[in-house]
Amino acid sequence: AQRVTQPEKLLSVFKGAPVELKCNYSYSGSPELFWYVQYSRQRLQLLLRHISRESIKGFTADLNKGETSFHLKKPFAQEEDSAMYYCALSGRAGSYQLTFGKGTKLSVIP
Amino acid sequence: DTAVSQTPKYLVTQMGNDKSIKCEQNLGHDTMYWYKQDSKKFLKIMFSYNNKELIINETVPNRFSPKSPDKAHLNLHINSLELGDSAVYFCASSVMDGGYTFGSGTRLTVV
Repeated sequence: AQRVTQPEKLLSVFKGAPVELKCNYSYSGSPELFWYVQYSRQRLQLLLRHISRESIKGFTADLNKGETSFHLKKPFAQEEDSAMYYCALSGRAGSYQLTFGKGTKLSVIP
Repeated sequence: DTAVSQTPKYLVTQMGNDKSIKCEQNLGHDTMYWYKQDSKKFLKIMFSYNNKELIINETVPNRFSPKSPDKAHLNLHINSLELGDSAVYFCASSVMDGGYTFGSGTRLTVV
């Protein structure tokens, strides 16, 4: 079974402080990991995926297979980063199903 | 120009009614999905269709019936609505790599 765990329901940081949103996964094969973001009352948007190793809006995430983690990081938080962040895993062959974590609400305090 | 569009955006209805939510994508994706986001913001897959064929049907009451007339459309029909059905329902589509494009959601309120 595939599972995604985001241990923090809510994370509050001050503007300019570093941010780390934690994500751990459980999957027996080779997973594909994603981060999605949902700004207030908007649709979910793909933020980044581990295979592209890109940095979007200053966020990065590294897949650590040993620790089965895919934490999302940003060195300096901005107010506009306040949103719900979902870690997601795609692993079931043939279905492309994404399993989402429960989400972490990031609140950046001015 | 919207990639994945859902209608309606808001739906308020009484218990026991039957309602439908429509979803269309113009991205040429083969796979479409319905997700439910509950009051705690938890996202759970309901259905997945690939080229008009049902490939995932999670433990969803059979009051929920998806219909895919073609690969660009995946509609959700709900019979005998209950209070617990109140949620935001998101449609999404994807290609094989799992990068989803989501619709803007339909906020369903059952009173």
